[in-house]
Amino acid sequence: DAGVTQSPTHLIKTRGQQVTLRCSPKSGHDTVSWYQQALGQGPQFIFQYYEEEERQRGNFPDRFSGHQFPNYSSELNVNALLLGDSALYLCASSLFWAAFDTEAFFGQGTRLTVV
Amino acid sequence: QQQVKQSPQSLIVQKGGISIINCAYENTAFDYFPWYQQFPGKGPALLIAIRPDVSEKKEGRFTISFNKSAKQFSLHIMDSQPGDSATYFCAAKDNYGQNFVFGPGTRLSVLP
Repeated sequence: DAGVTQSPTHLIKTRGQQVTLRCSPKSGHDTVSWYQQALGQGPQFIFQYYEEEERQRGNFPDRFSGHQFPNYSSELNVNALLLGDSALYLCASSLFWAAFDTEAFFGQGTRLTVV
Repeated sequence: QQQVKQSPQSLIVQKGGISIINCAYENTAFDYFPWYQQFPGKGPALLIAIRPDVSEKKEGRFTISFNKSAKQFSLHIMDSQPGDSATYFCAAKDNYGQNFVFGPGTRLSVLP
C-alpha cells in the first residue's frame, strides 16, 4: 500500500516564475492538505481539498492555488515566486469524515528553492 | 489563539535518559493532540496522539501526558536512543477544522 507520494522531490525556480507541485494521497483517503515548512519551523497550513473543492485555507496569499482531481490527487500552484517561498512543501492525506481516526499521513515533501 | 507553543527549542540527552518536550495551547476547541517525528529530508510521521478525555497515553517508550485544565501536554521518551535523534512537533486540531496547528519543533539529539 503506497503512502502519500509527492513529486518532484526537489525543485529550483527563479524569482517571478510559477511552479506546480503534485501529490497522490494514501490509498483510501479522500482529502489532501498542503503545508509549507520553512527551514527550522513547524509546518504551516496552506489549504485543504475535498471533493475537488477548497474547503479551508490558511493565511496565504492568492498566489497559492490548488486543484484536486477526481482520483483525489492534488496540485499546488504558486505564481510569481518570491525568495521567501523557498521551503519544504508537504502534502498530507486523510479521510474527511473520519469519526475518530483523524490521523493525517504526510508525504516526504517537495523542497522548493527560489533563486 | 490558534498558536501552539513548544519548548525547549533543542534538547540533548544521554543514551538511556528521559527526553521531555512540552507544549501549550489556548484554543479550548482543540480536541486532538498528535506528536510528529521528523527526520532530515523526510515528512513528519505520527508518533503518538491523545484526546482530552484521557490524561495519559503510553505506546512503548513514548508517553503523552495531558493536562486539560492547564491546556498543556507533553511527550516523554523513556530510555532515549541515538535513533530517536530527530525533530519533534506537537500539533493540535479541533473538531470543526481539518487542519493541524503545529508547534515550532524541538530538535532532539541523543548522545551515544
